[in-house]
Amino acid sequence: QVQLVQSGAEVKKPGSSVKVSCKASGGTFRSYTISWVRQAPGQGLEWMGGFIPIFALVNYAPKFQGRVTISTDESTSTAYMELSSLRFEDTAMYFCTTGNGDYATWFDPWGQGTLVTVSS
Amino acid sequence: DIQMTQSPSSLSASVGDSVTITCRASQSIGSYLNWYQQKPGKAPKILIYGASSLQSGVPSRFSGSGSGADFTLTISSLQPEDFATYYCQQSYSTPRSFGQGTKLEIK
Repeated sequence: QVQLVQSGAEVKKPGSSVKVSCKASGGTFRSYTISWVRQAPGQGLEWMGGFIPIFALVNYAPKFQGRVTISTDESTSTAYMELSSLRFEDTAMYFCTTGNGDYATWFDPWGQGTLVTVSS
Repeated sequence: DIQMTQSPSSLSASVGDSVTITCRASQSIGSYLNWYQQKPGKAPKILIYGASSLQSGVPSRFSGSGSGADFTLTISSLQPEDFATYYCQQSYSTPRSFGQGTKLEIK
């Protein structure tokens, strides 16, 4: 079973960027299955974007289009999520996860989460 | 975009009770509906996928049903470890979307 291990917590200033990593271990890294989901403090889950395996293309939620970039490095079995032009409301826990099936219809497993705090 | 609405937002129950959480999609999504459990400080965990398929390793007291726009998650004979927040998620189209969550608390 693949395990996803994310990079550590970050504190960023408004207007800056953050890049969170997600390293797969213990199994085959299927880079074209990665999605990113965030959760603001005390709030629900929000899908930011991810690969649709059958198309091998990244699909971004309109809310984040233009600000988020999801990428992978097969050589290191690592996925990345970069979010730019950070705002206070981007303070959240960011999770990587893998979509199952040709259309990444359900998510399992998940990384442990990375807390990103945007503060001046 | 498809909106997912869960009810209730919170629920109190006792160990041994049976509870049902509902999830409604803003349009028909077939059976492209998944359920997750999340405990404080932890990542979500898949329980049910494809509306009614139980993920391997998940206790059989969890069950899902529904199709089209209306879905339910039922937990029979609640155990202490079941008190958590539950989310539905549609995978019919992108952007993927989640319900707002249902917090299940001990009465």
